[in-house]
Amino acid sequence: EPEVTQTPSHQVTQMGQEVILRCVPISNHLYFYWYRQILGQKVEFLVSFYNNEISEKSEIFDDQFSVERPDGSNFTLKIRSTKLEDSAMYFCASSPTGDGGNTEAFFGQGTRLTVV
Amino acid sequence: SQELEQSPQSLIVQEGKNLTINCTSSKTLYGLYWYKQKYGEGLIFLMMLQKGGEEKSHEKITAKLDEKKQQSSLHITASQPSHAGIYLCGADPINYGGSQGNLIFGKGTKLSVKP
Repeated sequence: EPEVTQTPSHQVTQMGQEVILRCVPISNHLYFYWYRQILGQKVEFLVSFYNNEISEKSEIFDDQFSVERPDGSNFTLKIRSTKLEDSAMYFCASSPTGDGGNTEAFFGQGTRLTVV
Repeated sequence: SQELEQSPQSLIVQEGKNLTINCTSSKTLYGLYWYKQKYGEGLIFLMMLQKGGEEKSHEKITAKLDEKKQQSSLHITASQPSHAGIYLCGADPINYGGSQGNLIFGKGTKLSVKP
């Protein structure tokens, strides 16, 4: 069964360092997303990406964050200068085109980012 | 902004017992999604409801959306240890009529099933 894969599963970084979280969405999907979940809190939407551009982003997704689809398979989330409060589980998700009806998003297993 | 409240926050049941988890929205729901999350892992899609009064079932799990489209329930019949996890409801605050966009989630209900 096709799945969304994320690497690494766990990343530890020093405050102020840049990190890149990687995702390989399901191959025929067109919509890509990043969500995060701070320990003990809700899953929060960060950004959605379609047709090689950001289609929507939340207030959390400030100038420190960027997304990219560098090739036909990878989808990355970059945090330029990490802060302690960026420590969270980051989930990548993808979904196929809607075709007039809402469809489910498939989530990866997540990358646990720890900023020290 | 739309908020989703889930109840209960946590639930411990004996294997074989039935249980219900509720999700209440502060605004009309245009799409309501149920996901299951195991600790430290990703979200697994369970079901999506769109129409008022809609009910869907998969194996021993049934989800319903009320007529007013502001409340959904997830019912598990004859619970098993494999049902243990965190159940999240999610909603699309804007009726895209297309793929999911900006989903908002409830805080989740942690289910433990005692053998």
